[in-house]
Amino acid sequence: ELKVEQNPLFLSMQEGKNYTIYCNYSTTSDRLYWYRQDPGKSLESLFVLLSNGAVKQEGRLMASLDTKARLSTLHITAAVHDLSATYFCAVDVGSNYQLIWGAGTKLIIKP
Amino acid sequence: NAGVTQTPKFRILKIGQSMTLQCTQDMNHNYMYWYRQDPGMGLKLIYYSVGAGITDKGEVPNGYNVSRSTTEDFPLRLELAAPSQTSVYFCASKGPGTGTSYEQYFGPGTRLTVT
Repeated sequence: ELKVEQNPLFLSMQEGKNYTIYCNYSTTSDRLYWYRQDPGKSLESLFVLLSNGAVKQEGRLMASLDTKARLSTLHITAAVHDLSATYFCAVDVGSNYQLIWGAGTKLIIKP
Repeated sequence: NAGVTQTPKFRILKIGQSMTLQCTQDMNHNYMYWYRQDPGMGLKLIYYSVGAGITDKGEVPNGYNVSRSTTEDFPLRLELAAPSQTSVYFCASKGPGTGTSYEQYFGPGTRLTVT
């Protein structure tokens, strides 16, 4: 069975701290996606990682991909309240870009 | 350019009723997808389409049907609603799988309750 596992599933942290969300997956894939979802809202694409060793950064968020370890990380630097949201990773499987999703990491950043 | 639009935003159905969730995109994307999201969970793929006239099942297709008569529209049909279909439904579309166009663009979602 194809699985995408995120940890932690819930994270409460203080502003200014650094932390990392982990995404492990059980199938071979060269493409991994990170999305953000605010409460009651739709999903917004953050990063698309297309190959082993890929690293992308946007503001205080940085994502990386290790296809050999089947692991992606989303690192948050000096967290701010506006980054509070649920973060999902998803893996691209099949020939038509079908996505298998992790359960999400709910991130709460306290002022 | 509206992106991906979905109607309705909310709906309450009684057990056994039927309904169609509408999805339209104006980006001329070939790929379209239907997902459901249960509370506190990730998304599960219901059906997808790679172009007009071509559809295929995802992870959780039972109880649903789709059609794709045009590039723009990808409606999802629930024939006999059951409480297990209470969920938030998202439609997404994607451009050609080359260059930087791998990401899927999501609609605002339809919140469905079956009682």
